[in-house]
Formats: sequence, structure tokens, C-alpha cells
Amino acid sequence: LAKTTQPISMDSYEGQEVNITCSHNNIATNDYITWYQQFPSQGPRFIIQGYKTKVTNEVASLFIPADRKSSTLSLPRVSLSDTAVYYCLVGAHGSGNTGKLIFGQGTTLQVKP
Amino acid sequence: ETGVTQTPRHLVMGMTNKKSLKCEQHLGHNAMYWYKQSAKKPLELMFVYNFKEQTENNSVPSRFSPECPNSSHLFLHLHTLQPEDSALYLCASSQDPGREETQYFGPGTRLLVL
Repeated sequence: LAKTTQPISMDSYEGQEVNITCSHNNIATNDYITWYQQFPSQGPRFIIQGYKTKVTNEVASLFIPADRKSSTLSLPRVSLSDTAVYYCLVGAHGSGNTGKLIFGQGTTLQVKP
Repeated sequence: ETGVTQTPRHLVMGMTNKKSLKCEQHLGHNAMYWYKQSAKKPLELMFVYNFKEQTENNSVPSRFSPECPNSSHLFLHLHTLQPEDSALYLCASSQDPGREETQYFGPGTRLLVL
């Protein structure tokens, strides 16, 4: 299972764009990159998933360079309600898969007014 | 609202008590999971069920006993817990147990063992 490394914490101000980078040097060919968001005392919530290049949805964008050894979650114009812990996960699909997501420490994003 | 509900939301129990946590998913998913999240620690996967069959037991002590009577319901039976078992217990579900599959989490049960 590929190990991920991301900053422990980040601060931002309302209205700014926030970029959180995750390193996954040992990512395997079949691995996808997925980001979850977790508010205090709640379960994690899926934000975005990608395999390569760029993925965008109504919440965020995910940038994945060609070597796939890192990825960047981009949150446009954050608000106070985006204060949460953000987790980067990598995982493979295929036969023998057990749905075993490995959560790291995540990045605690604090958005200030 | 993720379509995954958990009851109770909060639970206080003594070390000699027996209690059960309940999870229900309204998404038509085939896989369900139990996670444990202790303070200041990452989420830890405990159990995985696929089509009611347990496919993963992540070295969980026997004082935690899961039960999955059908694909929509998942229970975690608790017996003679220790204070270090105090944590947020999260249930999740996904369409299939694939690691690229989005997992939908419930709000969790905050457990305090005295």
C-alpha cells in the first residue's frame, strides 16, 4: 500500500485559494488518488478522486503530474466552513481488493476571517 | 446527510457492560465497514463486510464483535471494553469493496468507556 505524506496543518483566509499537496512516491500503476474531508465529530466525506492529469468537480480540483508521485488538492475561494481535516489516500482496484482505505494524519486546514 | 445512519450518537459505558452500535445504509450498497478513530490518531479500519460476509478483520480484539445480518445493517457488539477503547466509531458503506470506490461514512458514535 502506497504511503502518503501531507502537511500536518495549513492556515488560510476566507476567499483565498488553498492548495494542499500530498506526496506518494511509491504509488502503483493501479492506484487511484482520493481525497476526503472530515469535520470534527463527523465521518469523512468524499471530495474528489483521480488517476492522472486534472479532475474538477463542483467542490475542488485535483492536479496530478505525469509521474503521479504527488497530487494537489485545490480548494477555490475557501470559506470558514471549509475548516476541516483533509485526507489524501491512494489505493488500487482489481481482483483481491478488500476496500482497505489507509488514512494518514491528514492536513488540518484552518480558515480565518 | 450521507445515507448512512448510526445509533446511538453518544454512548457511555462501564467496563463490564455489554452494548451494541448500529449502522444502517440506505444507498443499496454491498459493502460495509467499521472504523475506529481515537483522539489525535488516524482512522483505523476494523472490519469489512461484502455481501454480508466478513472479508477483513484488522486484528481487532475479540471484545469487539461485528454482525451483518443483511447488506443494509451492520452492528458492533461491545463487551468488557477498556478505557483505551474510548473513541469515535465510524460506519461506512460502498457499492463494492474496491479501493477506488467512494466510501460513504455515517456521523459516528462517540464512545466513552469508564
